[in-house]
Amino acid sequence: EVQLVESGGGLVQPGGSLRLSCEASGFTFGDYTMNWVRQAPGKGLEWVSYFDSSPPTIYYTDSVKGRFTISRDNAKNSLYLQMNSLKADDTAIYYCARNYLYLDVWGKGTTVTVSS
Amino acid sequence: EIVMTQSPATLSVSPGERATLSCRASQSVSTNLAWYQQKPGQAPRLLIYGASTRATGIPARFSGSGSGTEFTLTISSLQSEDFAVYYCQQYNNWPRTFGQGTKVEIK
Repeated sequence: EVQLVESGGGLVQPGGSLRLSCEASGFTFGDYTMNWVRQAPGKGLEWVSYFDSSPPTIYYTDSVKGRFTISRDNAKNSLYLQMNSLKADDTAIYYCARNYLYLDVWGKGTTVTVSS
Repeated sequence: EIVMTQSPATLSVSPGERATLSCRASQSVSTNLAWYQQKPGQAPRLLIYGASTRATGIPARFSGSGSGTEFTLTISSLQSEDFAVYYCQQYNNWPRTFGQGTKVEIK
């Protein structure tokens, strides 16, 4: 079964850091572009970042540039999102999703709350 | 950035009736458009890609059409499990952008 499982969310104070993880199974992880998409409480979907393995290409939405870093370990079938200098506006469910164009597989998400 | 605008924000439909959802792009995205369904407390699920191709396992009552800047998702006969929020997403340009969603609720 193709599956993505996120972890690492939690409550963090403004200015703090968190590292999200996404573990993939059921498919050849290294063959796919992987993405992070977030959804603020009661709001719509916002694409955050992607990492394409071949060629290595990384992209971020403007609001997280310089604060978030996406990485992946194909040997561990895992995608990561290091989030620094967190702001209240970063409060959201963070989803890991597969593919370069349309997002065909999604994890269930991990919740990040930025609050003092 | 391409802005995706969905209408209406909320659609009230009786079970068995047809639902028609619209999505407009601020500039042409060709047919590089996807539709997703999201139920409360769940992750989004891919329904349609390439504007009109159903994803694996998606029932035939879901259909997509359009190209350029105007797109439509049609649910031919609403079932109880179809009441949800639907999002369109363009993948013609970076950044990928989503519409704000249309909530399909029971009338």
